[in-house]
Amino acid sequence: DIQMTQSPSSLSASVGDRVTITCLASHDISNSLNWYQQKPGKAPEVLIYDASYLETGVPSRFRGSGSGTAFTLTITSLQPEDIATYYCQHYSGLPPYTFGQGTNLE
Amino acid sequence: EVRLVESGGGLVKPGGSLRLSCAASGFSLSSLTMNWVRQAPGKGLEWVSSISSGSSYTYYTDSVKGRFTISRDNAKNSLHLQMNSLRVEDTAMYYCVRDTPTVYFDLWGQGMLVTVSS
Repeated sequence: DIQMTQSPSSLSASVGDRVTITCLASHDISNSLNWYQQKPGKAPEVLIYDASYLETGVPSRFRGSGSGTAFTLTITSLQPEDIATYYCQHYSGLPPYTFGQGTNLE
Repeated sequence: EVRLVESGGGLVKPGGSLRLSCAASGFSLSSLTMNWVRQAPGKGLEWVSSISSGSSYTYYTDSVKGRFTISRDNAKNSLHLQMNSLRVEDTAMYYCVRDTPTVYFDLWGQGMLVTVSS
């Protein structure tokens, strides 16, 4: 099974900051990676698919990059509404489609 | 409106059973792979199970193999998860999630809480 290692587990930032979250895959997953945002009491929502494509309706300050085993989610200028937990997930090959441990952005 | 709505959760004793259902509206799920994902209280996301559009292929996380069964009724536009031999560690919010050819896991239901406790 492919393991996803996400870092950091928590992050404190201020409005306007550039924020970077990293996700490492234990095997090459090409670009088969989603990034999600989850706010308290809500279901997760896709921000980025195929590692770097912005889901419809997601603000352009969210950027995804990487391929193979190393991936990054960047928020170029943090806004108050971005306070949430962020997860990566691979969907390479057959299941299990593992999630990263999550990053709590405060 | 395009949405997924889960039902069937609740409180059950260890060893008991529950059947979760997910009703799709605003789209047809008949050609799509569907999934269940869960989240234990205060914890991260865990993929649980997936089923192909025609039910030919089903997949499960190791911890639920032999206890959970995923199924679908394309005519009724619905997805199900039969959960048997429930354990305390199965306590979680269970989400029904859609795949599309373009974006995997693109649409999530609001979730249904399953609590396993004596």
